[in-house]
Amino acid sequence: AQSVTQLDSQVPVFEEAPVELRCNYSSSVSVYLFWYVQYPNQGLQLLLKYLSGSTLVKGINGFEAEFNKSQTSFHLRKPSVHISDTAEYFCAVSDRGSYKLIFGSGTRLLVRP
Amino acid sequence: NAGVTQTPKFRVLKTGQSMTLLCAQDMNHEYMYWYRQDPGMGLRLIHYSVGEGTTAKGEVPDGYNVSRLKKQNFLLGLESAAPSQTSVYFCASSYGTSFNEQFFGPGTRLTVL
Repeated sequence: AQSVTQLDSQVPVFEEAPVELRCNYSSSVSVYLFWYVQYPNQGLQLLLKYLSGSTLVKGINGFEAEFNKSQTSFHLRKPSVHISDTAEYFCAVSDRGSYKLIFGSGTRLLVRP
Repeated sequence: NAGVTQTPKFRVLKTGQSMTLLCAQDMNHEYMYWYRQDPGMGLRLIHYSVGEGTTAKGEVPDGYNVSRLKKQNFLLGLESAAPSQTSVYFCASSYGTSFNEQFFGPGTRLTVL
C-alpha cells in the first residue's frame, strides 16, 4: 500500500532564509503528488501538484517542488521564507486511477524574525 | 461561492453521546470525504462518497457512519462517542479523478470527555 514519509516534524528557519521540506513516497507506480498548506486553525489548501511533464513544479506563494522518480521524492522548496509562511505542510500522494489521497504526517515550518 | 463549509466548528461531548457533523459544498463536486487529523499522524480517511446515495469505508471507519442523501451534503455521525474520537475532523470534496485537488473545509474540533 502507498505510504508517505515526511521525516521532519518541525523545521525552524530564519526569515529570508531558504527552506526545503522533504517528502518521500513508497510506491514507484504512477502517481500524482501534492503539497498542501494548513495555516493555524484553518483547513488545508493546495500549494502545488505534479501530474506529469516537467519535474519542477511551481506553486503559489513562491514555493516549488521537484519530482524525483528514482528516489521517489517530492521535496518542497522556497528560496526565501517570510513570517507568513509559518504553517503546517502536508505532502500527499494519489495513485493514478485512485481518487484517494494518502497524506504524510506533516511538517511544521516555523519562521523566526 | 462558500466552497466547503462545516457545522459545527467546535463541540464537546461526553462519552456515549451521539452527534452529527454536517459538510456542505457548493461546487457541484461528485466526490466527498471525511478525514480526521491527529497530532503527528497527518490526515486519515474515515469515509468517502463517490456520488449521491453512495458511501464507502476509508482507512479508519470504525465508530463512524455517514450518509449522502443530497449531492451537496455529506454527514458524519458518531453514534456513541469515545475519548479516542477526540480529534479535528475535516471534510473535503473534489471532481473525483485522481489528478484533481481536494478542497477542504475549515474543520470541526471535537472533544470527547
